[in-house]
Amino acid sequence: GQSLEQPSEVTAVEGAIVQINCTYQTSGFYGLSWYQQHDGGAPTFLSYNGLDGLEETGRFSSFLSRSDSYGYLLLQELQMKDSASYFCAGGGYNNNDMRFGAGTRLTVKP
Amino acid sequence: SAVISQKPSRDICQRGTSLTIQCQVDSQVTMMFWYRQQPGQSLTLIATANQGSEATYESGFVIDKFPISRPNLTFSTLTVSNMSPEDSSIYLCSVEPPGRETQYFGPGTRLLVL
Repeated sequence: GQSLEQPSEVTAVEGAIVQINCTYQTSGFYGLSWYQQHDGGAPTFLSYNGLDGLEETGRFSSFLSRSDSYGYLLLQELQMKDSASYFCAGGGYNNNDMRFGAGTRLTVKP
Repeated sequence: SAVISQKPSRDICQRGTSLTIQCQVDSQVTMMFWYRQQPGQSLTLIATANQGSEATYESGFVIDKFPISRPNLTFSTLTVSNMSPEDSSIYLCSVEPPGRETQYFGPGTRLLVL
């Protein structure tokens, strides 16, 4: 099984940079994913790290360190629309046994 | 990406009844998943429904309560049986397209059991 821990809430201002950390305890861990979910909406995929290091997709980047069982999501140039919940998720091979963290609620203020 | 639709989008049901939720995908996928999410909470995997095999249920979920069908590569149903108020939740299906290390989620079914 797997368990993932992330902060429950983060607040930042427009234009700032915010980092959401995720630590995990797993067996058979294959990679770390990040999802964004706005209130009332479905989770949408942001990023995946199958290997150690940094993955960059526009304003969002994600990092994984397997030796530290740790990853993070970095959001740059924050916009009001980035206010949402962000989930880290760890899966086994073919995403079997996928587990989601409790989610981090990001509030972006003017 | 994959486009996923779910029916119904929401429902209010009486305890003791059953509701079947449908999930339709616009492309053929082998791997399909069913999740439950309480408002403001995380997602909990109910079962993995791969076409051509029996659904695999996670701890705490049983086939008698949550029977799943997967008749083809684009469709699946989840039934919530003998409902109680504790079953009130959002139910989401997701798929993992071949070669993609990600899941795409349907819009969810909001269920309220009275």
